[in-house]
Amino acid sequence: AQRVTQPEKLLSVFKGAPVELKCNYSYSGSPELFWYVQYSRQRLQLLLRHISRESIKGFTADLNKGETSFHLKKPFAQEEDSAMYYCALNPSGNTPLVFGKGTRLSVIA
Amino acid sequence: EPEVTQTPSHQVTQMGQEVILRCVPISNHLYFYWYRQILGQKVEFLVSFYNNEISEKSEIFDDQFSVERPDGSNFTLKIRSTKLEDSAMYFCASGRENTEAFFGQGTRLTVV
Repeated sequence: AQRVTQPEKLLSVFKGAPVELKCNYSYSGSPELFWYVQYSRQRLQLLLRHISRESIKGFTADLNKGETSFHLKKPFAQEEDSAMYYCALNPSGNTPLVFGKGTRLSVIA
Repeated sequence: EPEVTQTPSHQVTQMGQEVILRCVPISNHLYFYWYRQILGQKVEFLVSFYNNEISEKSEIFDDQFSVERPDGSNFTLKIRSTKLEDSAMYFCASGRENTEAFFGQGTRLTVV
C-alpha cells in the first residue's frame, strides 16, 4: 500500500536555525515525490519535486531510496517559511497524489 | 499566471441538503481531481477525471458523490444528502500529462 508518513505535526525553530522536515514513504515501485506548501489562507502550491533536483526558496530535498525518505531541508529558516508542509507521493504518471498528514513549521523571530 | 479557481470559498448547508462545489481548472489541463481535508487531518484523494470520465476514485467517493464537467470549463463535485462528517475543505486540482497538480484555494464546506 502507498503511504506517506510525516512524523512531526509541529516543528518550531528559531530564525536562522536549520530546518529538516521529515518524510518517509512506503511504495514498492519508483514513485515521484513532492513537497507542497500551504501558507496561511493560501492554496496548496508545489514547492519541490524530486526529479527536478532544484532548490526553491532555499529548500532542498533528496530522495533516499534506501531509507525511503524525502526529507525537506533548509540551512537557515526565515519567518516567511512558517507554513504547513505536505509531502506527497505520485505512484506514476497522472495518478492521484498520496499525501502525508503535514507538518506545521513555525519560525520564531 | 493561470490558476485553478473554486467557488464558493465557504458553503454552509443543512444536513440532508445537496451541495455543488464548483471549480474552473487551468484551461489547457486534461486531468482533474477532487481532494478533501477534514479539519486536523491529511489531504485525501476523492476522485480523478480524464477524458470526460472518472479515471480513479477512492473508497470515500461513494454514491453520495458525483462529478461532472458540464461545459468544458467547469468541473463540479456534487454531494447529495450531506452529513455532518462531510464538513471539510474540498480542493480541486488540475494537471497536464506528467506534470504536478495545481490546486485551487479550496471550498470550506460546513454541514450543520
